[in-house]
Amino acid sequence: GQNIDQPTEMTATEGAIVQINCTYQTSGFNGLFWYQQHAGEAPTFLSYNVLDGLEEKGRFSSFLSRSKGYSYLLLKELQMKDSASYLCAVLDSNYQLIWGAGTKLIIKP
Amino acid sequence: IAGITQAPTSQILAAGRRMTLRCTQDMRHNAMYWYRQDLGLGLRLIHYSNTAGTTGKGEVPDGYSVSRANTDDFPLTLASAVPSQTSVYFCASSEGAGAITDTQYFGPGTRLTVL
Repeated sequence: GQNIDQPTEMTATEGAIVQINCTYQTSGFNGLFWYQQHAGEAPTFLSYNVLDGLEEKGRFSSFLSRSKGYSYLLLKELQMKDSASYLCAVLDSNYQLIWGAGTKLIIKP
Repeated sequence: IAGITQAPTSQILAAGRRMTLRCTQDMRHNAMYWYRQDLGLGLRLIHYSNTAGTTGKGEVPDGYSVSRANTDDFPLTLASAVPSQTSVYFCASSEGAGAITDTQYFGPGTRLTVL
């Protein structure tokens, strides 16, 4: 079956750096997405990786290793507004998006 | 402002009643999706449509139906609601041409309670 694993919850301190990991086993691979979802709101797109390596976008970076079935989202200079759930999703060989359950990130002052 | 709208925002429904959740997008996206999101389970795909006139079943289609008469609208119908359909429902759309164009954009959601 297809599976995406993320930690359920993480806690970090304002101003620090946090890395949220995602491992996947899917039938085929056509890219990996990260979404941010604040409580009570809709998911919003953060990043897309299809090639190995690091993609940087401001305070957020996303890394992909296709051979290891692994990605991480790196958040720098954490702000209180970064408290949210972060969803990892993989586009499989049928171009269906397979979603992880999400990682709830709690930022403490 | 371009985007996706959903209606209603929230609804309390008696079990056995019929309910249609509305979804409209103005981005001219080909593909549209309906998800339900329950605590601890993440997003689960109910039905999808790759283009107007076609629909497909997702992971949890039982008890739900959809139609795609045109590009913009993708209503989700619960024929006879049951308490297990209590959830937050999100509609999403994407260009649907593969890879980065499969980035999905979400509506604000409908919070449905079935009693």
